Amino acid sequence: DQQVKQNSPSLSVQEGRISILNCDYTNSMFDYFLWYKKYPAEGPTFLISISSIKDKNEDGRFTVFLNKSAKHLSLHIVPSQPGDSAVYFCAASASGNDMRFGAGTRLTVKP
Amino acid sequence: ETGVTQTPRHLVMGMTNKKSLKCEQHLGHNAMYWYKQSAKKPLELMFVYNFKEQTENNSVPSRFSPECPNSSHLFLHLHTLQPEDSALYLCASSQDRAGGPYEQYFGPGTRLTVT
Repeated sequence: DQQVKQNSPSLSVQEGRISILNCDYTNSMFDYFLWYKKYPAEGPTFLISISSIKDKNEDGRFTVFLNKSAKHLSLHIVPSQPGDSAVYFCAASASGNDMRFGAGTRLTVKP
Repeated sequence: ETGVTQTPRHLVMGMTNKKSLKCEQHLGHNAMYWYKQSAKKPLELMFVYNFKEQTENNSVPSRFSPECPNSSHLFLHLHTLQPEDSALYLCASSQDRAGGPYEQYFGPGTRLTVT
């Protein structure tokens, strides 16, 4: 039962443009959402999070949007840089319980 | 050393071998986790320890045996594995598990190949 889904396995964008990574979830009890970034040969690193009481959280070039009614969140990176090329995982948890992860989206930012 | 470390980084083992994966966190966290990542699949939570006590076992086969001697160290003992167990095994830690939510900090993983 995959409760967190990232339907795009890969995304390619040009340097300087916006990258939009999407994530859908099925469990309405999820109240905390996170994005992780993973480079090859490294573990995932925390990027940004959002609580269900908000619909937007911004940190520099990274913004996460949450649409609770659609059970959808997205990560916007603008402007995209070649160093942003990595696999991005969406994760969600309910009331501090264990996180559920999506399968990841591989982002490639072309110079 | 800082953060979360895992050894070995790569491991090749036969189906009859016994080996152990080690994880150590230097963050003062109280919760530690083992995840399995297979190609193109979500991270699968295997075990959770909170204050050295196992609080979660997600229907993991008994050929995987965790051990948490203290809040800083976590082991995964492996025996009589199957080729389908080949995957990246990730260790993570977080400040606490109860109450949350807390970000998890991951180690670099052990790439396991079962031949």
